[in-house]
Amino acid sequence: KQEVTQIPAALSVPEGENLVLNCSFTDSAIYNLQWFRQDPGKGLTSLLLIQSSQREQTSGRLNASLDKSSGRSTLYIAASQPGDSATYLCAVETSGSRLTFGEGTQLTVNP
Amino acid sequence: DGGITQSPKYLFRKEGQNVTLSCEQNLNHDAMYWYRQDPGQGLRLIYYSQIVNDFQKGDIAEGYSVSREKKESFPLTVTSAQKNPTAFYLCASTIGTVNTEAFFGQGTRLTVV
Repeated sequence: KQEVTQIPAALSVPEGENLVLNCSFTDSAIYNLQWFRQDPGKGLTSLLLIQSSQREQTSGRLNASLDKSSGRSTLYIAASQPGDSATYLCAVETSGSRLTFGEGTQLTVNP
Repeated sequence: DGGITQSPKYLFRKEGQNVTLSCEQNLNHDAMYWYRQDPGQGLRLIYYSQIVNDFQKGDIAEGYSVSREKKESFPLTVTSAQKNPTAFYLCASTIGTVNTEAFFGQGTRLTVV
């Protein structure tokens, strides 16, 4: 059974700092890995999707990498801002279009 | 604007009642999903549907039922058989049935009173 783990569970940083969020998964037979953002009481917003054949994807200040063989992905946020404060979730797609989610990293960026 | 609409935003259920959560999408997506989110846990898949008039159980389907009579709609009924229904429910859709980006609604918070 696929299991997804996110470390750390919570992170607090000063504004302007570069930071890395980690995601690991146990079964490397995935179609893709997706990173989402969730604000309190809200739904999920898709940030980046990395296909299993890709190594990384970039969008603005966000860069996500994927090492499928080792079961790891990182989300790099450059020059963090208070507006980046949210919970970040990673999810892997396995067979049958099923997403398995990690428990998330709660990020706080302090002004 | 295209998107996924969940209603209501907040829902209160008395013990023993069935309640239905609405999910509508105008993205022309084939597949739709229902997830449950509890504090301290990741999202868990309840049911999903890859085509009209067909759906499959996810990891925690007991106590829930769904229908997919129209491509745009995928309502979830929380039955009285669900012993711990208080949670945040999220509906999602994907354009295809494999290897596509998932889009989510804003969620429905269900509370048992």
